[in-house]
Amino acid sequence: DQQVKQNSPSLSVQEGRISILNCDYTNSMFDYFLWYKKYPAEGPTFLISISSIKDKNEDGRFTVFLNKSAKHLSLHIVPSQPGDSAVYFCAFIQGAQKLVFGQGTRLTINP
Amino acid sequence: SAVISQKPSRDICQRGTSLTIQCQVDSQVTMMFWYRQQPGQSLTLIATANQGSEATYESGFVIDKFPISRPNLTFSTLTVSNLSPEDSSIYLCSVEGQGLRETQYFGPGTRLLVL
Repeated sequence: DQQVKQNSPSLSVQEGRISILNCDYTNSMFDYFLWYKKYPAEGPTFLISISSIKDKNEDGRFTVFLNKSAKHLSLHIVPSQPGDSAVYFCAFIQGAQKLVFGQGTRLTINP
Repeated sequence: SAVISQKPSRDICQRGTSLTIQCQVDSQVTMMFWYRQQPGQSLTLIATANQGSEATYESGFVIDKFPISRPNLTFSTLTVSNLSPEDSSIYLCSVEGQGLRETQYFGPGTRLLVL
């Protein structure tokens, strides 16, 4: 069963505008929620995380929102830059450090 | 964050052979992890490797197919045995975050193609 779903396989955004990436989950037992960015031929790079006891965490241009009642996680990038073009994965910590990943969303920032 | 390297970065192997992937970290870490990313798919945890103990495998992954070594706190190997085309994937090692335990940091991955 898919515990984590990223329903948008791709997203295209104009440079300077806001990019919003979404993720839905089914397991209420997750402790931490994370976003990773992945460029081709590289490993995933950690971006930002949020604890299950919070609803928002901000780090520069990146903000993660957690809606526990809706079991929904989102990542906002503002302003979007060409270097943000990558595949973004949401992930959740389950148990002893096990990461459960979503399917990924390919973000393209257009100049 | 830790600096993680993997060898080889890519390889092409024949069916029935094996490939051993090395993961080296620039600092001592307790937990190391091995993931697989099949083409067009997400990352899936294969096993967790702690130094001094047997690796813990996730459902669907077995030691005979994916033997793992963890001889010290900075190094691990993953072997993919009896290769078939279905094993063509990217294999990644990761380590727990230091000072930020709820994260993991990933190596660059090993891209395997089985013919």
